[in-house]
Amino acid sequence: EDQVTQSPEALRLQEGESSSLNCSYTVSGLRGLFWYRQDPGKGPEFLFTLYSAGEEKEKERLKATLTKKESFLHITAPKPEDSATYLCAVYDYKLSFGAGTTVTVRA
Amino acid sequence: GAVVSQHPSRVICKSGTSVKIECRSLDFQATTMFWYRQFPKKSLMLMATSNEGSKATYEQGVEKDKFLINHASLTLSTLTVTSAHPEDSSFYICSARDTLEETQYFGPGTRLLVL
Repeated sequence: EDQVTQSPEALRLQEGESSSLNCSYTVSGLRGLFWYRQDPGKGPEFLFTLYSAGEEKEKERLKATLTKKESFLHITAPKPEDSATYLCAVYDYKLSFGAGTTVTVRA
Repeated sequence: GAVVSQHPSRVICKSGTSVKIECRSLDFQATTMFWYRQFPKKSLMLMATSNEGSKATYEQGVEKDKFLINHASLTLSTLTVTSAHPEDSSFYICSARDTLEETQYFGPGTRLLVL
């Protein structure tokens, strides 16, 4: 059974304070690793898909990286609007989600 | 990015009634759509996978007679919660997978409250 573990559960940052979120996984056949952002009371918003170890993708202040056993989401110089829950999911014909990391960025 | 809509966004109903939730892919065709349930401060739990024109595949522990799923076209899937009870109150989210890629795009969710 696919397993996805995200850490930390919660992260409180000062505006401009860079940090990283971790997503470790065990999966029989990884067809992709997805990162989503979810705001309270809304559906997840797609951020990135990573397919192979060594791959990196960037979008504004976010950068996602992938190794054979984990993925990192780096947030560089975060702003309050980056506050959200970040979800990691592995895809093996269906998505299996981690519990998420709730990021709070204070001004 | 691809857009998925859900209707209604919020619904309150009496115990014993049925509620239908619609999920539409607005700018792409989706052979496969998914229905998730999310409890407060918890992650998404996959309920079922629906493929256009065929029966849905339900995850273990999900009652198929209670949660009826229909995927009649490449842009529309519906979830009907039959004989709803208070324990069915939850946040239901659909997603659609673009036929041309493997990315799933999510709808905004439907908040169901059963009194």
